[in-house]
Amino acid sequence: QSALTQPASVSGSPGQSITISCTGTSSDVGAYNYVSWYQQHPGKAPKLMIYDVSNRPSGISNRFSGSKSGNTASLTISGLQAEDEADYYCSAHTASSTRVFGGGTKLTVL
Amino acid sequence: QVQLVQSGGEVKKPGASVKVSCKASAYTFTSYYMHWVRQAPGQGLEWMGIINPSAGSTTYPQKFQGRVTLTRDTSTTTVYMELSSLTSEDTAVYYCTRGGLIYTDYARAFDYWGQGTLVTVSS
Repeated sequence: QSALTQPASVSGSPGQSITISCTGTSSDVGAYNYVSWYQQHPGKAPKLMIYDVSNRPSGISNRFSGSKSGNTASLTISGLQAEDEADYYCSAHTASSTRVFGGGTKLTVL
Repeated sequence: QVQLVQSGGEVKKPGASVKVSCKASAYTFTSYYMHWVRQAPGQGLEWMGIINPSAGSTTYPQKFQGRVTLTRDTSTTTVYMELSSLTSEDTAVYYCTRGGLIYTDYARAFDYWGQGTLVTVSS
């Protein structure tokens, strides 16, 4: 099972919006609506930000949103804030009943 | 609130095995799947497997088949991850993370995470 493909880095200024893509195959991202996104600050455990493609857990800001088209899922962060600077990972359920992660994207807030 | 508390860091020699524990609290232990994920220094997240704490059944990715074993102790609400035949490439932070409800939410996301356990493999 190959890792999902994410851009290595993205950047944006405070107040702007950014989108991080996550490309898989018809056996993972494209097969099910079980894509999730995680935020990880240095030295910390990952934190769930989006589940089932577009749902936010309780307590997560509505500045974070998710979507999917075909084999590519996307995470959009609007109204960028300094605290959003972190690594972001997508994950998907696969047809083999396993899980796969993306390689991660480093978000820099300029 | 839900807590997953992992055991402390380990230093192992190549060829040895390591066993990391993850004690769950503040929810019904046998109602939710538990996963293990690792992260090598400066690298991304890697899924290592899932256990059904109620039945004890497990699923592992092909990469770790035969080398990783997930077990649980329902009396202490603890899950364990044992990794054998360690090499330097197994140096990583290992996380336990809770999945969805047993039988109904197998594919659900990872909502709570342990604090991580650093395993260092060095001669």
